[in-house]
Amino acid sequence: DAMVIQNPRYQVTQFGKPVTLSCSQTLNHNVMYWYQQKSSQAPKLLFHYYDKDFNNEADTPDNFQSRRPNTSFCFLDIRSPGLGDAAMYLCATSRIFGLAGGIDNEQFFGPGTRLTVL
Amino acid sequence: AQRVTQPEKLLSVFKGAPVELKCNYSYSGSPELFWYVQYSRQRLQLLLRHISRESIKGFTADLNKGETSFHLKKPFAQEEDSAMYYCALRVEETSGSRLTFGEGTQLTVNP
Repeated sequence: DAMVIQNPRYQVTQFGKPVTLSCSQTLNHNVMYWYQQKSSQAPKLLFHYYDKDFNNEADTPDNFQSRRPNTSFCFLDIRSPGLGDAAMYLCATSRIFGLAGGIDNEQFFGPGTRLTVL
Repeated sequence: AQRVTQPEKLLSVFKGAPVELKCNYSYSGSPELFWYVQYSRQRLQLLLRHISRESIKGFTADLNKGETSFHLKKPFAQEEDSAMYYCALRVEETSGSRLTFGEGTQLTVNP
């Protein structure tokens, strides 16, 4: 089935040790998003890629970076995780179509990666 | 800036009872509202969107621009409706849409 896949589902890292979360999709969507969801809070958009164009949210800390080497894959890099970065990280995809962009489809979410920082 | 408010973090009803999950928004433009649902141990998924005016799994939601609300309703709740429900507002941009989520309402339907 076409899906949004996130690996690993659970990630444990040490304070200050860089960590990378991955997301892949078989939907051939041109937009990929990363959200952070802390316990009992709403998912919060960190950034997204429209094709290769990176769009950072104004309040996303510099500690968070992203890479999208191709259409199918997108990575979230946390350069120096702090205790406050422990959260569920959600990847989502959507598709923009039409010459002028147009309204994209719904966002399809992956199952998330739960990050624990020790 | 846009904002979505779900005033109830927890909502508990009995099977067969009507249920209403409240959502209010603030946005200066023309809003596009969604309800997403997350069942236990499953991914976040779209339940319905106001544009399509559809009913999914018996749920409906009407956009009330005067009251800036998009409440989710179901006349007869079922146990399988127990889940986390998020209201979301979409802002369309040329670089892709941005979703602003409410903090969610955990619905429990008791037998």
